[in-house]
Amino acid sequence: DARVTQTPRHKVTEMGQEVTMRCQPILGHNTVFWYRQTMMQGLELLAYFRNRAPLDDSGMPKDRFSAEMPDATLATLKIQPSEPRDSAVYFCASGLFPDSNEQFFGPGTRLTVL
Amino acid sequence: QKEVEQNSGPLSVPEGAIASLNCTYSDRGSQSFFWYRQYSGKSPELIMSIYSNGDKEDGRFTAQLNKASQYVSLLIRDSQPSDSATYLCAGGLYNFNKFYFGSGTKLNVKP
Repeated sequence: DARVTQTPRHKVTEMGQEVTMRCQPILGHNTVFWYRQTMMQGLELLAYFRNRAPLDDSGMPKDRFSAEMPDATLATLKIQPSEPRDSAVYFCASGLFPDSNEQFFGPGTRLTVL
Repeated sequence: QKEVEQNSGPLSVPEGAIASLNCTYSDRGSQSFFWYRQYSGKSPELIMSIYSNGDKEDGRFTAQLNKASQYVSLLIRDSQPSDSATYLCAGGLYNFNKFYFGSGTKLNVKP
């Protein structure tokens, strides 16, 4: 499929709960990105993978966030425990490097932590 | 100083006019630059990519890059109300190291 898909599209949870967001990159793309967007901070890069290997996760709070790619068609972003300040829209994007360094975004997961 | 800076706007232009959006970046080593359009409540959509000094045209859109002055611009000709959105500028190294998005410029095209 020529689109990035993300699930769930919306998630409301309570502080302290675990949240898992999933992303299916465009078939054949080898680079996957996780971003977080808030009104205050804008779009921030959390982590990215190439050929399923993590290349940079310096933008991610290490104590509560983790990102993995169990296989080439699935990327996950987990928050445990979640906090109200994690409320944001989380986007996944994918691309095919080095042919191109353009990124294509999924529809996002809107997370609200109460 | 942010790595990629944009005026937050809003920029208001009448329908049919040229909209000019600007972006500056701080890292002289940046190699790749992109413009994304984001409608309210939607995800960013890639409009243009530019890698070399000069202009790059695609339909009503023209991206301009000036590495000496460290700025990137996007011109939208014959602006339409459907162009009303937030435009995000992004740039960094080709391999995505030191890759940043600007905070976006909100464009309003008035009928």
